[in-house]
Amino acid sequence: DQQVKQNSPSLSVQEGRISILNCDYTNSMFDYFLWYKKYPAEGPTFLISISSIKDKNEDGRFTVFLNKSAKHLSLHIVPSQPGDSAVYFCAARGGNQFYFGTGTSLTVIP
Amino acid sequence: DAGITQSPRHKVTETGTPVTLRCHQTENHRYMYWYRQDPGHGLRLIHYSYGVKDTDKGEVSDGYSVSRSKTEDFLLTLESATSSQTSVYFCAIRRGGGTGELFFGEGSRLTVL
Repeated sequence: DQQVKQNSPSLSVQEGRISILNCDYTNSMFDYFLWYKKYPAEGPTFLISISSIKDKNEDGRFTVFLNKSAKHLSLHIVPSQPGDSAVYFCAARGGNQFYFGTGTSLTVIP
Repeated sequence: DAGITQSPRHKVTETGTPVTLRCHQTENHRYMYWYRQDPGHGLRLIHYSYGVKDTDKGEVSDGYSVSRSKTEDFLLTLESATSSQTSVYFCAIRRGGGTGELFFGEGSRLTVL
C-alpha cells in the first residue's frame, strides 16, 4: 500500500509563474521529507528537504511546506523556469527506509 | 557527483537467466539502496544495506537477492529473471549526518524478453 502519494501525474505552468506540487503521506512516524527532481535517462537528484519538526524550508526558488496535521507537504517553485521541466518525486524517511511517491511531471511553458 | 557508478547501464536478457547489477561507490558510505522505477509506481525499494554483510528487505524484494562483501560494492541479483522485472534500477547511497538524504546513480535499464 502506497504510503506516499502524489495524486497529480502532471502539471503545466507558464514560465515565471508559481509551480505547486503536492504530496500526501499516511505514516505519522515519518521524520524527514524530501523532494527529488528527475530528468529522462538520469538518476533522481536531491532538491530540498524538511524535518518533521519544521513547517517550512526555503532554498532559493524552492520552498517546501509541511502540514503534519494534514499529513501533507508541498513544493513551491517561484518563478518557474523552462529548465524546471522534469518529474518531481516526494519521499519520506521512516527508520532506514525511504518511501517515494509516484511522481508529478512538471512542464514549464516558455 | 556522489561517486556512484552502476553497471551495466543497459542489459537485455531472456526469461529464466540470472542477472547481476553492480553498484560501486567511492565515498565509503555505510548505507546503500536498490530501487526500481516503473510507470505508475514511482520508485520502490528492493533491498538496502547498512554495512558489509548487513542487508534488509524493502517493499518489493521477492525475486531479488543482494550481497555486500565490501563497503564499496552492493550487488543486486535476479536469480531467474522474469518479464515483470523489466525496469530501470537505481542504486543510491545515503550520506551521513542528520539529514542523510539519498544520492542516486544514473540507473541500469534491464529488459527481460
